[in-house]
Amino acid sequence: GIQVEQSPPDLILQEGANSTLRCNFSDSVNNLQWFHQNPWGQLINLFYIPSGTKQNGRLSATTVATERYSLLYISSSQTTDSGVYFCAVVSSDSWGKLQFGAGTQVVVTP
Amino acid sequence: GAVVSQHPSRVICKSGTSVKIECRSLDFQATTMFWYRQFPKQSLMLMATSNEGSKATYEQGVEKDKFLINHASLTLSTLTVTSAHPEDSSFYICSGATTTSGGLDEQYFGPGTRLTVT
Repeated sequence: GIQVEQSPPDLILQEGANSTLRCNFSDSVNNLQWFHQNPWGQLINLFYIPSGTKQNGRLSATTVATERYSLLYISSSQTTDSGVYFCAVVSSDSWGKLQFGAGTQVVVTP
Repeated sequence: GAVVSQHPSRVICKSGTSVKIECRSLDFQATTMFWYRQFPKQSLMLMATSNEGSKATYEQGVEKDKFLINHASLTLSTLTVTSAHPEDSSFYICSGATTTSGGLDEQYFGPGTRLTVT
């Protein structure tokens, strides 16, 4: 099956800093989603981005499908950005099933 | 964005009993629902896929007789953990998605159910 690798595994940021999270995948994908899992366990949809670039407030994402990677940018980080960020992909042969990466644990300190 | 609810949010049960978890799509019709489990400090693992009115499809290694899934309507799926044991203690999360002409759309997740088996 498709492999999804996220880096870095852990990230500690000072409030106000910018950061980039990366997601590499091993095969072609139909879909890619970025999620933020808050401390209570809820997964919040950030981006649905099989290709191209999208922005939502302080967050933006870029997926380069031909090179099999996606990037999530966090600018001017806030303590509420803390949590785990997951990348998940739908491969061409999995019909809708999301394969999750291991996640990046982000801690934003005041 | 679309909203998915789960009930209960937290449940404690005795070993050997069964527990039912409900997953509802509140403002969209979920032609497909997925059930995941997540152990502490780990990622989400897909357990099964259910389509409305059809039998669920289970991932390799997931016991279908232990984890009963019913998707009776476009807004409700249930997961029943039968004869629960302490090793079934975990965080169970559902998601729903609609079918489009291009395939399955974006998945939206419920808030999860924390199951503890004593």
